[in-house]
Amino acid sequence: DTEVTQTPKHLVMGMTNKKSLKCEQHMGHRAMYWYKQKAKKPPELMFVYSYEKLSINESVPSRFSPECPNSSLLNLHLHALQPEDSALYLCASSQEGTERFFGSGTQLSVL
Amino acid sequence: GENVEQHPSTLSVQEGDSAVIKCTYSDSASNYFPWYKQELGKRPQLIIDIRSNVGEKKDQRIAVTLNKTAKHFSLHITETQPEDSAVYFCAAGQWAAGNKLTFGGGTRVLVKP
Repeated sequence: DTEVTQTPKHLVMGMTNKKSLKCEQHMGHRAMYWYKQKAKKPPELMFVYSYEKLSINESVPSRFSPECPNSSLLNLHLHALQPEDSALYLCASSQEGTERFFGSGTQLSVL
Repeated sequence: GENVEQHPSTLSVQEGDSAVIKCTYSDSASNYFPWYKQELGKRPQLIIDIRSNVGEKKDQRIAVTLNKTAKHFSLHITETQPEDSAVYFCAAGQWAAGNKLTFGGGTRVLVKP
C-alpha cells in the first residue's frame, strides 16, 4: 500500500464551525506533514510530525491545530477559520530514504 | 532559510520538442532536490529526484542535472507528449525524513499536439 488517504475530499464550513481533516498512511512512515496549497501556488509547509511528535510548526495561526494520535494517523482540527484559509490541504508522509508521498488533499472552502 | 526560484513560470512546447525548467536554491546545506508533477485537481507526484552526491540522473524521457557550485538544478523532458502537460514544482531541502522541503513557484507546461 503506497497511498496516503485524506478525508473528506471536499469541505465547506462557516467561520464559526469546528471541523477536522484526517490523513492516514500504512507505509510505516515516521514523518507526516500538513501543507496548504492555494490555486496556482506551490504547497506551503504548515506542520511536521516526526515519530508522532510535532517537530516543525511554520508559525501557523492557532485556529489550525494538528494532532497525531498514532504513527498512521494525522488530523488537522479547524476552528474559527477565515475566508482566506480556503485552499487545498495536503497531507504527506515519508521515511528515511524514501520520497514524500502526498495524499489527494481536502479542498476547503470557508464561507 | 532556504529560498528556491523557478523559471519559467509558463512554458509552451510543441509535441516532440524538449522542455527545460531551471531552479536555483540558496542554502548550501540542502542536499536533496526532488521534482513534482501536479495535474489539475490532483496530488503532487514525484517524477524524479537527485541528491547532492550526484550530478545527473535520468529516467526514460526525464533527466535532472545539479550544479552544486552554482546552486542550480534543472529538469529536462525530451520528446514531450500531451500528457506531460501539468504544473511542475522543483524543491530543495535536506534528505532526512521530517525535514523541510522548500518548493519553487512552479512551471505550467503546455504541450501542444
